[in-house]
Amino acid sequence: GIQVEQSPPDLILQEGANSTLRCNFSDSVNNLQWFHQNPWGQLINLFYIPSGTKQNGRLSATTVATERYSLLYISSSQTTDSGVYFCALTGTASKLTFGTGTRLQVTL
Amino acid sequence: KAGVTQTPRYLIKTRGQQVTLSCSPISGHRSVSWYQQTPGQGLQFLFEYFSETQRNKGNFPGRFSGRQFSNSRSEMNVSTLELGDSALYLCASSPGNSHQPQHFGDGTRLSIL
Repeated sequence: GIQVEQSPPDLILQEGANSTLRCNFSDSVNNLQWFHQNPWGQLINLFYIPSGTKQNGRLSATTVATERYSLLYISSSQTTDSGVYFCALTGTASKLTFGTGTRLQVTL
Repeated sequence: KAGVTQTPRYLIKTRGQQVTLSCSPISGHRSVSWYQQTPGQGLQFLFEYFSETQRNKGNFPGRFSGRQFSNSRSEMNVSTLELGDSALYLCASSPGNSHQPQHFGDGTRLSIL
């Protein structure tokens, strides 16, 4: 099956700092999504981005499918950005394979 | 448009019991997938139902089963509960093909005593 690796595993930032999270994958994908899991366990859809670049406020994402990686950029981080960020993707079957996540802590 | 609804939000059971979790997808979505999240194993795919048929299955024992009804609502059942079944169970819905994003419910947190 598809392998998904995320880096870094942990990240501590001061409020206002920028960060880049990376997701590497082992095969071609039909669907790639970025999620934020908040402390209550809710998985929030951030981006659906099998290829290309998208922006939503302070967040943006880029997927280079030919090189099998995706990046999530967080600018001007806020304490509410804390949580775990997951990259997840599908191949030909509709089952998401998740990475192990990046745990982000934003401090004042 | 209402999101994915999972019930109940929390459950406490004892070893050996069985449990049924429910998931109502976004209106018009025909695919429902179930995932298990534990601290040790992360987020793992259990199974997917599409048009009342199991279309994909993960690597879980037969104690884990599911079904989907004609209105696309799905239930997941776990029999003979074990301590290791303590987890957050997440349900996701999508229109149905692998190119489309999946949308998650808030999950059911199951604790086994």
